[in-house]
Amino acid sequence: KQEVTQIPAALSVPEGENLVLNCSFTDSAIYNLQWFRQDPGKGLTSLLLIQSSQREQTSGRLNASLDKSSGRSTLYIAASQPGDSATYLCAVFTRDDKIIFGKGTRLHILP
Amino acid sequence: DTGVSQNPRHKITKRGQNVTFRCDPISEHNRLYWYRQTLGQGPEFLTYFQNEAQLEKSRLLSDRFSAERPKGSFSTLEIQRTEQGDSAMYLCASSYIPGNYGYTFGSGTRLTVV
Repeated sequence: KQEVTQIPAALSVPEGENLVLNCSFTDSAIYNLQWFRQDPGKGLTSLLLIQSSQREQTSGRLNASLDKSSGRSTLYIAASQPGDSATYLCAVFTRDDKIIFGKGTRLHILP
Repeated sequence: DTGVSQNPRHKITKRGQNVTFRCDPISEHNRLYWYRQTLGQGPEFLTYFQNEAQLEKSRLLSDRFSAERPKGSFSTLEIQRTEQGDSAMYLCASSYIPGNYGYTFGSGTRLTVV
């Protein structure tokens, strides 16, 4: 059974710092991996999609990497801003058509 | 296309009442998922459709829950005889399969059972 773990569960960093969020999964036979952002009481906003054949994706200040063999993905946020404060969710798409989420990392950027 | 639309955004209901939520996916998407999310947790799979066919239901989806997707377009999720434990955010997502474009989520429906 696929399990997705996100570490840390919560993180507070001063504005301007670079940071890394971690995601690990137990079964490397995934179809692809997607990082989402969720603001309190809101739905999910897609940040980056990494297909199984890819190793990383970049969008602006965000960079996501994928290492299927080790079951790990990281989301790197450069030059953090208070507006980046949110919960970040990692989701893996399994080959039996499931989307399995981690519990998320609650990020707080201190002004 | 305005993305995945969910209605209502919020629903407060008394225990024992029935509620129905609606999801309108992106028009060309043939795959539709329902998820439930409680506070501090990641979304949990409930069920999904390929066009109008419901392909799988989670064990979380008790007999009080039913989902439909007539004609492979919008979908409804009905909860009968609501319980306080049903209070959660209900999320809908859609995608096109085959394809590798990821999933687009709606803004969710927040249900509060009092």
